Amino acid sequence: GENVEQHPSTLSVQEGDSAVIKCTYSDSASNYFPWYKQELGKRPQLIIDIRSNVGEKKDQRIAVTLNKTAKHFSLHITETQPEDSAVYFCAASDQTGANNLFFGTGTRLTVIP
Amino acid sequence: DVKVTQSSRYLVKRTGEKVFLECVQDMDHENMFWYRQDPGLGLRLIYFSYDVKMKEKGDIPEGYSVSREKKERFSLILESASTNQTSMYLCASSLSGDYGYTFGSGTRLTVV
Repeated sequence: GENVEQHPSTLSVQEGDSAVIKCTYSDSASNYFPWYKQELGKRPQLIIDIRSNVGEKKDQRIAVTLNKTAKHFSLHITETQPEDSAVYFCAASDQTGANNLFFGTGTRLTVIP
Repeated sequence: DVKVTQSSRYLVKRTGEKVFLECVQDMDHENMFWYRQDPGLGLRLIYFSYDVKMKEKGDIPEGYSVSREKKERFSLILESASTNQTSMYLCASSLSGDYGYTFGSGTRLTVV
């Protein structure tokens, strides 16, 4: 099955700086890559996703890039704010009938005011 | 507007007990999933279902079973709870195909 690795496991940035979280995947057939944000005590929520037919997608201060050749994708958060502090998970889909998602181990982002 | 509901937020059970974790979604999604979340290990798939009465093993199915008698409900069963099953359990649902998941709020289970 798919194997997703995520780095770093923890990340601290000053408010206003950028944050980058990187993931690699093993299955070249994977074609859907969502990112989830989980605030303390809350459920993971989808914040952005990208499909394999595009290389980059932006939504306000967040962006995701995908390099299919290298099998890696990244989350970029610009102008970070304290409310960006959370655990972020990347995921990649497999190719079973349910298109299961395989998750990275998470990155705890702390934005220092 | 809660769309995936897990019946219990916190649960404490004794070793050897049979435990039922319930999940209900109101979005008419075909796919439903059970994950456990442990520090440093991320989200690991226990079981999933892509149709009523259908179930498939995920990465860590040992010690668990599931039931999906109705499209909206997916139950996780711990046949005989053990301390190493103490964890946060997350239910999720999705439309068929490559769509993101909607997660429930999670059930923090402690087995003593």
